[in-house]
Amino acid sequence: ETGVTQTPRHLVMGMTNKKSLKCEQHLGHNAMYWYKQSAKKPLELMFVYNFKEQTENNSVPSRFSPECPNSSHLFLHLHTLQPEDSALYLCASSQVGLGIYGYTFGSGTRLTVV
Amino acid sequence: AQTVTQSQPEMSVQEAETVTLSCTYDTSESDYYLFWYKQPPSRQMILVIRQEAYKQQNATENRFSVNFQKAAKSFSLKISDSQLGDAAMYFCAYRAGEYGNKLVFGAGTILRVKS
Repeated sequence: ETGVTQTPRHLVMGMTNKKSLKCEQHLGHNAMYWYKQSAKKPLELMFVYNFKEQTENNSVPSRFSPECPNSSHLFLHLHTLQPEDSALYLCASSQVGLGIYGYTFGSGTRLTVV
Repeated sequence: AQTVTQSQPEMSVQEAETVTLSCTYDTSESDYYLFWYKQPPSRQMILVIRQEAYKQQNATENRFSVNFQKAAKSFSLKISDSQLGDAAMYFCAYRAGEYGNKLVFGAGTILRVKS
């Protein structure tokens, strides 16, 4: 257990469904991130939140909607996804100002869009 | 923009032998951090080792060590006495400065360990 918990671990959803991914960190970090990991592609940074404020959105389609109600929780709301959105979605957290410590990752949610 | 390149999609090593994974990066920053992460089949991304750019001494963590060549922008990972549990995907990553937020990853290298 790293201190970053992601739920659910697996998710299968239809293209017309609405679902949410949840991430919670117990490390007292002040920044949280969503990454997408597809087969044979580098990890793609999707969203960055510093102190609950979104500071980066890497041209992510609007069918992905992040929410960060506080520094410990991060959500990724999904709606009308496409099959190419099937991937492993990783959440991470870090402490801004302590760059040497890198990120702490959750175990990811394996998303399959059918 | 910073980029990280891992030129070896796959590597194999015999158990108890030594293997080196390559990583190069591109940046105009002088203050940054470099990391190696391991992702086993369990999917958990685990930090293996880290290096501060201003430190000339190469980082070492037990069987894992790095060869950091700042001028060449090279950051290779050496795994000594390889074990079956070392089999995983290894990612090299870069983070700019103390307040840099983005962790930029390479494409990864799959390491297979043969018994």
